[in-house]
Amino acid sequence: NAGVTQTPKFQVLKTGQSMTLQCAQDMNHNSMYWYRQDPGMGLRLIYYSASEGTTDKGEVPNGYNVSRLNKREFSLRLESAAPSQTSVYFCASRETGQGYGYTFGSGTRLTVV
Amino acid sequence: GDSVTQMEGPVTLSEEAFLTINCTYTATGYPSLFWYVQYPGEGLQLLLKATKADDKGSNKGFEATYRKETTSFHLEKGSVQVSDSAVYFCALNDAGNMLTFGGGTRLMVKP
Repeated sequence: NAGVTQTPKFQVLKTGQSMTLQCAQDMNHNSMYWYRQDPGMGLRLIYYSASEGTTDKGEVPNGYNVSRLNKREFSLRLESAAPSQTSVYFCASRETGQGYGYTFGSGTRLTVV
Repeated sequence: GDSVTQMEGPVTLSEEAFLTINCTYTATGYPSLFWYVQYPGEGLQLLLKATKADDKGSNKGFEATYRKETTSFHLEKGSVQVSDSAVYFCALNDAGNMLTFGGGTRLMVKP
């Protein structure tokens, strides 16, 4: 009963390096999401995927790309990391239909130096 | 568009005190409403939800009632514990694919 699994849990990058954050869910959910949460702040949507094969921009997409590899997996890529991307990143998934909330992963804590 | 407004924190209480965290919303339709809890260093967990007017969601001693007339979904608990210290997020889903979150309210419970 894993739910939503994110890897890695912690990462330190140098400015300009690239990396991919991985997310997988085992609940057969159609929709998946990437959020960032900065200290003392709420959640901001980066990208989402309503179904396999589709992706859409959220509130803060600049500097990120995503891939919905299959129904289970939704990855987030930082092509050239910047200090402003230091944050905690959460992946979530959701059953289709009103009345369903998100199931969140435990997060990836990323520091860009 | 949809929006969720929560009371600013932090809310600081003594153990066994009564808790209320206010949440009001704006939505065009008939949304489902949620409360999430985030413990330090962890992700958000669904605490409770309500899908129609006058529904009461409850879990772990927390309750919230969906009040359509006042567009509110206030979170309450009769007797808080130190272990309830966390950030609480109110959220809504109004027929689309995404949830709209409030800014979060930090609760600190002192022994």
